[in-house]
Amino acid sequence: DTGVSQDPRHKITKRGQNVTFRCDPISEHNRLYWYRQTLGQGPEFLTYFQNEAQLEKSRLLSDRFSAERPKGSFSTLEIQRTEQGDSAMYLCASSFSGVGEKLFFGSGTQLSVL
Amino acid sequence: GDSVTQMEGPVTLSEEACLTINCTYTATGYPSLFWYVQYPGEGLQLLLKATKADDKGSNKGFEATYRKETTSFHLEKGSVQVSDSAVYFCALSSGNQFYFGTGTSLTVIP
Repeated sequence: DTGVSQDPRHKITKRGQNVTFRCDPISEHNRLYWYRQTLGQGPEFLTYFQNEAQLEKSRLLSDRFSAERPKGSFSTLEIQRTEQGDSAMYLCASSFSGVGEKLFFGSGTQLSVL
Repeated sequence: GDSVTQMEGPVTLSEEACLTINCTYTATGYPSLFWYVQYPGEGLQLLLKATKADDKGSNKGFEATYRKETTSFHLEKGSVQVSDSAVYFCALSSGNQFYFGTGTSLTVIP
């Protein structure tokens, strides 16, 4: 069990560019979550998958954001036409399904949009 | 909707002092409650959890009791160490969703 890994750790991009982040969850976990965290705030829910199905997406999430989890393994989060307000830490977490199951977090991808 | 409110920081304590970080929640059902910790430069990791009323979660000398009557899950430790310096997040899970508080930064000085 190598834990949840995210790539890259840091991404600097110019406004208007597209970026893609990758998350590799713990292999036995069927749920995968994406969160966004800004300084001084707790993680904010973006979307989650059960296996390959995207079951829920935050209403606050712009159409510029899209996520996939092909084959129910790794996941990618793409942000199109980035804006300065997208600058944040993007966190991935995975878990088993079930009541009271805990989330295992990756170290996150820090995005800076210039 | 479901939410978590936790005590604002930052909190600075001397080593061996007592710690309490308050957390209250709002939920329509029967949530599970968690405390996560984020050490400098690291990802969030679970500190402790409780899945039903009156359960007490404990780990590394930290404790929190699920109080349904006061909708609270306060984090306590009797004697903090420098190594406890971190940001602490209270969270609840309801259905398939997790809701996090804004975090409380703790600094313990020798």
